[in-house]
Amino acid sequence: DAKTTQPNSMESNEEEPVHLPCNHSTISGTDYIHWYRQLPSQGPEYVIHGLTSNVNNRMASLAIAEDRKSSTLILHRATLRDAAVYYCIRSDTGNQFYFGTGTSLTVIP
Amino acid sequence: SAVISQKPSRDICQRGTSLTIQCQVDSQVTMMFWYRQQPGQSLTLIATANQGSEATYESGFVIDKFPISRPNLTFSTLTVSNMSPEDSSIYLCSVDLGPYEQYFGPGTRLTVT
Repeated sequence: DAKTTQPNSMESNEEEPVHLPCNHSTISGTDYIHWYRQLPSQGPEYVIHGLTSNVNNRMASLAIAEDRKSSTLILHRATLRDAAVYYCIRSDTGNQFYFGTGTSLTVIP
Repeated sequence: SAVISQKPSRDICQRGTSLTIQCQVDSQVTMMFWYRQQPGQSLTLIATANQGSEATYESGFVIDKFPISRPNLTFSTLTVSNMSPEDSSIYLCSVDLGPYEQYFGPGTRLTVT
């Protein structure tokens, strides 16, 4: 989705927190924000989703800006297994997924 | 959750030919989706396939090029027709098991020579 942009790549040290930003400035009021990650040769897998409020689950936290034009995925303590491409996605009322450009996360031991 | 399989996992095809990709899920689902992931790129939605109705295609994708079948609630096929090297991509299916989550298959890696 050309309207959902992410940094191409980011690095983090192991055991450190990681903040992955996403810009979705044209999101509509009913679109959800999702984050998925993709390991090599696999399909994307669910990380977290939200609409307006910040969300926490066992994998990560999602911080959504008040104007909803951006969001940040937070991995609290990066591990080597978190190395993947992370996609920010917006979904419409039909649950069609429109993927962002993706951020390749490298975790440094 | 859902277990999704795709066949073939990969293929090398000659230009001008067609390839049909199968997607099988281990439970009944209403909505299935097909995506294309070009080399080094993000995923792009091709179409939404609901059982019992015609697939709905996204802008830039047409039925003549990517015909889709959805004969029952656990199966769908995507055909890539009259292939050219530009069709070389990974094609993934996904299923909708709830309003906010999709499960993805492992993908079919297609190379067109």
